[in-house]
Amino acid sequence: GQQVMQIPQYQHVQEGEDFTTYCNSSTTLSNIQWYKQRPGGHPVFLIQLVKSGEVKKQKRLTFQFGEAKKNSSLHITATQTTDVGTYFCAPLRDDKIIFGKGTRLHILP
Amino acid sequence: EAGVAQSPRYKIIEKRQSVAFWCNPISGHATLYWYQQILGQGPKLLIQFQNNGVVDDSQLPKDRFSAERLKGVDSTLKIQPAKLEDSAVYLCASSLVQGARAEQYFGPGTRLTVT
Repeated sequence: GQQVMQIPQYQHVQEGEDFTTYCNSSTTLSNIQWYKQRPGGHPVFLIQLVKSGEVKKQKRLTFQFGEAKKNSSLHITATQTTDVGTYFCAPLRDDKIIFGKGTRLHILP
Repeated sequence: EAGVAQSPRYKIIEKRQSVAFWCNPISGHATLYWYQQILGQGPKLLIQFQNNGVVDDSQLPKDRFSAERLKGVDSTLKIQPAKLEDSAVYLCASSLVQGARAEQYFGPGTRLTVT
């Protein structure tokens, strides 16, 4: 079956540094969503990627969908303390969104 | 616009007891989802409703879990009897349109502790 891995599981960065999380699949994905969950909070939708090679930006966040639609990434430029949380990729599988284990981002002041 | 409402926010029960969770989705959202999120993991879909019909319940442990969506609006999720491994946050989400491509709006969740 489709295997999706999100790396890293944890990331500690100094405030102001950049951060990237990757989502890799063994099979081609039709689309992928990204969510953010603050500590103690609930997942919040960030973006959906559908097209091969698609790049979308939201302020300091840049989302990419690979040319082969087997991987995706989320890059945060100049992290801030408000970026703390767990970032989940959620690819489409069997017409269902499947959440990965996420990458937990911790910001060091 | 009001978000997804859930109650209770916290619940502590002993194993073998029963518990029920309630969800009120965003007004006008036809699709409703229940997820189970165990600590340190991503949300796992338990059941998906389209209006008051079940679209997917393949991962719902039907021997102990049940869910219904009354009149296509509010929904309840019940566990009877609870086991220790049911300790988790139960998240309700809703979306305006059907299909996994739809953006999902999550409620605050109910944190269940089974002792």
